[in-house]
Amino acid sequence: EADIYQTPRYLVIGTGKKITLECSQTMGHDKMYWYQQDPGMELHLIHYSYGVNSTEKGDLSSESTVSRIRTEHFPLTLESARPSHTSQYLCASSPRGVEAFFGQGTRLTVV
Amino acid sequence: KNQVEQSPQSLIILEGKNCTLQCNYTVSPFSNLRWYKQDTGRGPVSLTIMTFSENTKSNGRYTATLDADTKQSSLHITASQLSDSASYICVVSDRGSTLGRLYFGRGTQLTVWP
Repeated sequence: EADIYQTPRYLVIGTGKKITLECSQTMGHDKMYWYQQDPGMELHLIHYSYGVNSTEKGDLSSESTVSRIRTEHFPLTLESARPSHTSQYLCASSPRGVEAFFGQGTRLTVV
Repeated sequence: KNQVEQSPQSLIILEGKNCTLQCNYTVSPFSNLRWYKQDTGRGPVSLTIMTFSENTKSNGRYTATLDADTKQSSLHITASQLSDSASYICVVSDRGSTLGRLYFGRGTQLTVWP
């Protein structure tokens, strides 16, 4: 079992609120990723990081932002949540980009 | 365009039966292929990983095959159990970048009935 944690597991929040989804890993991996997944659909890469102070946007356009101040921590922030942001968000880390270890995910519902 | 296609989209089998899931990809240059199991509401968990030179790998009741020439992979589940009910995702990585980009299939939703 990989040591990568996401909090919260479930979040229901009102439109316009600012939220931060937490992701932490204790494996010392340099590469970290955020994916968005709608029910029954594939995972879409929205952000990734090569290491501290490195962040890049992924394939799927997202209004979220990320930061990587510490190796183990890769939080994702939505400044103003909207119903279209309702989805599952999965965080992953990788030692060399060969294999990804996933967190349990955060299921976000914006009402 | 790099793509990963999986079939069938969904599958229902009886407990104890075997099944085979398919994955076709167009990712190039190819680095490796992985099968993940994703339980509902949870993150994917890796089952097998294969590189270009490997054509079969087993993990308990799970056996994955890879044909790098035809760009096809299969995941065979033997003697299915109720706990096998999940989505099985094929993930292909390229070696065209230092990131090792991951390309995900949509998954096959497997349901095992008692």
